[in-house]
Amino acid sequence: GAGVSQTPSNKVTEKGKYVELRCDPISGHTALYWYRQSLGQGPEFLIYFQGTGAADDSGLPNDRFFAVRPEGSVSTLKIQRTERGDSAVYLCASSLTTSNQAFFGQGTRLTVV
Amino acid sequence: GQQLNQSPQSMFIQEGEDVSMNCTSSSIFNTWLWYKQDPGEGPVLLIALYKAGELTSNGRLTAQFGITRKDSFLNISASIPSDVGIYFCAGQLSDSYDKVIFGPGTSLSVIP
Repeated sequence: GAGVSQTPSNKVTEKGKYVELRCDPISGHTALYWYRQSLGQGPEFLIYFQGTGAADDSGLPNDRFFAVRPEGSVSTLKIQRTERGDSAVYLCASSLTTSNQAFFGQGTRLTVV
Repeated sequence: GQQLNQSPQSMFIQEGEDVSMNCTSSSIFNTWLWYKQDPGEGPVLLIALYKAGELTSNGRLTAQFGITRKDSFLNISASIPSDVGIYFCAGQLSDSYDKVIFGPGTSLSVIP
Protein backbone atom coordinates (compact mmCIF):
# COMPACT_ATOMS: atom_id res chain seq x y z
CA GLY A 1 0.00 0.00 0.00
CA ALA A 2 0.91 3.64 -0.22
CA GLY A 3 1.16 4.27 3.51
CA VAL A 4 1.76 2.56 6.83
CA SER A 5 -1.10 0.19 7.55
CA GLN A 6 -2.09 -0.89 11.04
CA THR A 7 -4.55 -3.61 11.95
CA PRO A 8 -6.91 -3.84 13.63
CA SER A 9 -7.99 -0.20 13.79
CA ASN A 10 -9.81 -0.91 17.03
CA LYS A 11 -9.39 -3.69 19.55
CA VAL A 12 -11.38 -4.28 22.71
CA THR A 13 -10.07 -6.96 25.03
CA GLU A 14 -10.66 -8.17 28.54
CA LYS A 15 -8.17 -7.56 31.30
CA GLY A 16 -5.64 -10.36 31.45
CA LYS A 17 -5.93 -11.34 27.80
CA TYR A 18 -3.16 -11.42 25.19
CA VAL A 19 -3.26 -9.11 22.16
CA GLU A 20 -1.28 -8.67 18.98
CA LEU A 21 -1.16 -5.47 16.98
CA ARG A 22 0.11 -5.53 13.43
CA CYS A 23 1.99 -2.94 11.41
CA ASP A 24 2.68 -3.05 7.67
CA PRO A 25 5.30 -0.43 6.88
CA ILE A 26 5.78 1.39 3.60
CA SER A 27 7.46 -0.97 1.16
CA GLY A 28 11.23 -0.69 1.24
CA HIS A 29 11.41 1.14 4.55
CA THR A 30 14.10 -0.38 6.73
CA ALA A 31 13.28 1.41 9.97
CA LEU A 32 10.08 0.79 11.91
CA TYR A 33 8.91 2.46 15.12
CA TRP A 34 6.20 1.82 17.70
CA TYR A 35 4.72 4.58 19.83
CA ARG A 36 1.91 4.65 22.37
CA GLN A 37 -0.41 7.63 22.70
CA SER A 38 -2.63 8.03 25.72
CA LEU A 39 -5.65 10.33 25.63
CA GLY A 40 -4.61 13.97 25.61
CA GLN A 41 -0.91 13.18 25.39
CA GLY A 42 1.76 13.11 22.74
CA PRO A 43 3.06 9.83 21.37
CA GLU A 44 5.51 8.01 23.63
CA PHE A 45 8.36 6.03 22.10
CA LEU A 46 8.28 2.28 22.71
CA ILE A 47 10.72 0.55 20.37
CA TYR A 48 12.33 0.83 16.97
CA PHE A 49 13.67 -1.71 14.51
CA GLN A 50 16.43 -1.39 11.99
CA GLY A 51 15.78 -4.29 9.67
CA THR A 52 14.89 -7.37 11.70
CA GLY A 53 16.58 -6.34 14.91
CA ALA A 54 15.26 -4.18 17.72
CA ALA A 55 17.80 -1.34 17.81
CA ASP A 56 16.28 0.38 20.85
CA ASP A 57 13.56 -1.11 23.06
CA SER A 58 14.12 1.24 25.98
CA GLY A 59 10.57 2.59 25.79
CA LEU A 60 8.80 -0.71 26.41
CA PRO A 61 7.12 -0.20 29.80
CA ASN A 62 7.64 -3.72 31.16
CA ASP A 63 8.18 -7.33 30.15
CA ARG A 64 4.51 -7.80 29.20
CA PHE A 65 5.31 -5.87 26.02
CA PHE A 66 7.25 -7.43 23.19
CA ALA A 67 7.65 -6.68 19.49
CA VAL A 68 9.03 -8.63 16.56
CA ARG A 69 9.87 -7.98 12.93
CA PRO A 70 11.08 -11.39 11.73
CA GLU A 71 11.51 -10.62 8.03
CA GLY A 72 12.37 -6.95 8.25
CA SER A 73 8.97 -5.82 7.00
CA VAL A 74 5.76 -6.46 8.98
CA SER A 75 6.01 -5.96 12.72
CA THR A 76 3.81 -7.25 15.53
CA LEU A 77 3.51 -5.66 18.94
CA LYS A 78 2.49 -8.23 21.53
CA ILE A 79 1.01 -7.45 24.93
CA GLN A 80 0.56 -10.18 27.50
CA ARG A 81 -1.78 -10.13 30.50
CA THR A 82 -3.30 -6.82 29.43
CA GLU A 83 -4.18 -4.25 32.06
CA ARG A 84 -6.66 -1.37 31.92
CA GLY A 85 -3.72 1.03 31.93
CA ASP A 86 -2.59 -0.40 28.59
CA SER A 87 -5.58 1.27 26.92
CA ALA A 88 -4.22 3.75 24.38
CA VAL A 89 -3.67 4.30 20.68
CA TYR A 90 -0.66 2.35 19.46
CA LEU A 91 1.03 4.09 16.54
CA CYS A 92 3.45 2.56 14.09
CA ALA A 93 5.75 4.56 11.82
CA SER A 94 8.33 3.66 9.20
CA SER A 95 11.13 5.44 7.40
CA LEU A 96 13.45 4.62 4.53
CA THR A 97 16.36 4.76 6.96
CA THR A 98 16.70 6.41 10.36
CA SER A 99 18.10 9.44 8.54
CA ASN A 100 14.81 10.00 6.77
CA GLN A 101 11.44 11.29 7.84
CA ALA A 102 9.16 8.76 9.50
CA PHE A 103 5.57 8.31 8.31
CA PHE A 104 2.91 7.28 10.80
CA GLY A 105 0.00 4.91 10.40
CA GLN A 106 -3.49 5.67 11.70
CA GLY A 107 -2.93 3.66 14.83
CA THR A 108 -4.71 0.86 16.66
CA ARG A 109 -7.00 1.96 19.47
CA LEU A 110 -6.71 -0.63 22.23
CA THR A 111 -9.30 -0.69 24.98
CA VAL A 112 -8.86 -3.04 27.91
CA VAL A 113 -12.07 -3.60 29.88
CA GLY B 1 14.29 11.80 31.32
CA GLN B 2 13.71 14.39 28.64
CA GLN B 3 10.45 16.30 28.91
CA LEU B 4 8.83 18.81 26.59
CA ASN B 5 6.30 21.46 27.52
CA GLN B 6 4.00 23.14 25.04
CA SER B 7 2.04 26.34 25.39
CA PRO B 8 -0.69 27.14 25.10
CA GLN B 9 -2.44 23.84 25.82
CA SER B 10 -5.33 24.90 23.61
CA MET B 11 -6.36 27.92 21.60
CA PHE B 12 -9.46 29.19 19.83
CA ILE B 13 -8.91 31.71 17.06
CA GLN B 14 -10.85 33.39 14.31
CA GLU B 15 -10.22 32.36 10.74
CA GLY B 16 -7.59 34.62 9.21
CA GLU B 17 -5.73 35.27 12.45
CA ASP B 18 -2.09 34.39 12.99
CA VAL B 19 -1.17 31.71 15.54
CA SER B 20 1.94 31.24 17.63
CA MET B 21 2.77 28.28 19.85
CA ASN B 22 5.86 27.40 21.84
CA CYS B 23 7.76 24.39 23.01
CA THR B 24 10.39 24.24 25.74
CA SER B 25 12.58 21.45 26.99
CA SER B 26 14.59 20.68 30.07
CA SER B 27 17.22 19.12 27.80
CA ILE B 28 19.15 20.15 24.73
CA PHE B 29 18.00 18.62 21.47
CA ASN B 30 19.89 18.34 18.19
CA THR B 31 16.74 18.31 16.09
CA TRP B 32 13.31 19.87 16.56
CA LEU B 33 10.25 18.64 14.72
CA TRP B 34 6.71 19.96 14.45
CA TYR B 35 3.83 17.58 13.70
CA LYS B 36 0.10 17.99 13.16
CA GLN B 37 -2.39 15.29 14.11
CA ASP B 38 -5.98 15.14 12.90
CA PRO B 39 -8.57 13.04 14.76
CA GLY B 40 -8.18 9.35 14.07
CA GLU B 41 -4.95 9.85 12.17
CA GLY B 42 -1.27 9.55 12.92
CA PRO B 43 0.94 12.64 13.24
CA VAL B 44 2.19 14.23 10.03
CA LEU B 45 5.53 16.02 9.92
CA LEU B 46 5.21 19.73 9.12
CA ILE B 47 8.69 21.14 9.65
CA ALA B 48 12.08 19.79 10.71
CA LEU B 49 14.80 22.00 12.21
CA TYR B 50 18.40 20.84 12.44
CA LYS B 51 20.47 23.82 13.53
CA ALA B 52 20.29 26.23 16.46
CA GLY B 53 18.86 29.54 15.29
CA GLU B 54 17.45 28.03 12.12
CA LEU B 55 14.23 29.60 10.81
CA THR B 56 12.30 27.45 8.35
CA SER B 57 9.06 28.02 6.47
CA ASN B 58 6.59 25.65 4.86
CA GLY B 59 3.82 27.63 3.20
CA ARG B 60 1.97 29.55 5.91
CA LEU B 61 3.98 27.79 8.63
CA THR B 62 7.21 29.12 10.09
CA ALA B 63 9.25 27.47 12.82
CA GLN B 64 12.45 28.36 14.61
CA PHE B 65 15.05 26.31 16.47
CA GLY B 66 15.96 28.28 19.59
CA ILE B 67 19.52 29.44 20.13
CA THR B 68 19.73 27.61 23.46
CA ARG B 69 18.58 24.39 21.69
CA LYS B 70 15.99 24.03 24.44
CA ASP B 71 13.07 25.68 22.72
CA SER B 72 11.22 26.14 19.46
CA PHE B 73 8.20 28.01 18.20
CA LEU B 74 5.71 27.48 15.39
CA ASN B 75 3.77 30.27 13.73
CA ILE B 76 0.81 29.83 11.41
CA SER B 77 -0.20 32.83 9.38
CA ALA B 78 -3.71 33.61 8.09
CA SER B 79 -5.31 30.55 9.69
CA ILE B 80 -7.93 28.57 7.78
CA PRO B 81 -10.46 25.95 9.01
CA SER B 82 -8.30 23.01 7.93
CA ASP B 83 -5.58 24.16 10.35
CA VAL B 84 -7.71 22.66 13.13
CA GLY B 85 -5.93 19.85 14.91
CA ILE B 86 -3.33 19.07 17.52
CA TYR B 87 0.18 20.35 17.00
CA PHE B 88 3.04 18.49 18.60
CA CYS B 89 6.60 19.59 18.96
CA ALA B 90 9.15 16.84 19.18
CA GLY B 91 12.85 16.64 19.81
CA GLN B 92 15.63 14.27 18.99
CA LEU B 93 18.95 13.90 20.71
CA SER B 94 20.63 12.66 17.55
CA ASP B 95 20.43 13.64 13.90
CA SER B 96 18.41 10.56 13.05
CA TYR B 97 14.75 9.74 13.59
CA ASP B 98 15.47 6.77 15.79
CA LYS B 99 13.87 8.02 18.98
CA VAL B 100 11.64 11.05 19.02
CA ILE B 101 10.41 12.70 22.23
CA PHE B 102 6.99 14.33 21.79
CA GLY B 103 5.44 17.19 23.70
CA PRO B 104 1.88 17.04 25.06
CA GLY B 105 0.44 19.04 22.14
CA THR B 106 -1.41 22.28 21.48
CA SER B 107 -5.00 21.92 20.36
CA LEU B 108 -6.01 24.51 17.77
CA SER B 109 -9.59 25.39 16.95
CA VAL B 110 -10.41 27.83 14.14
CA ILE B 111 -13.72 29.65 14.19
CA PRO B 112 -14.96 30.44 10.67
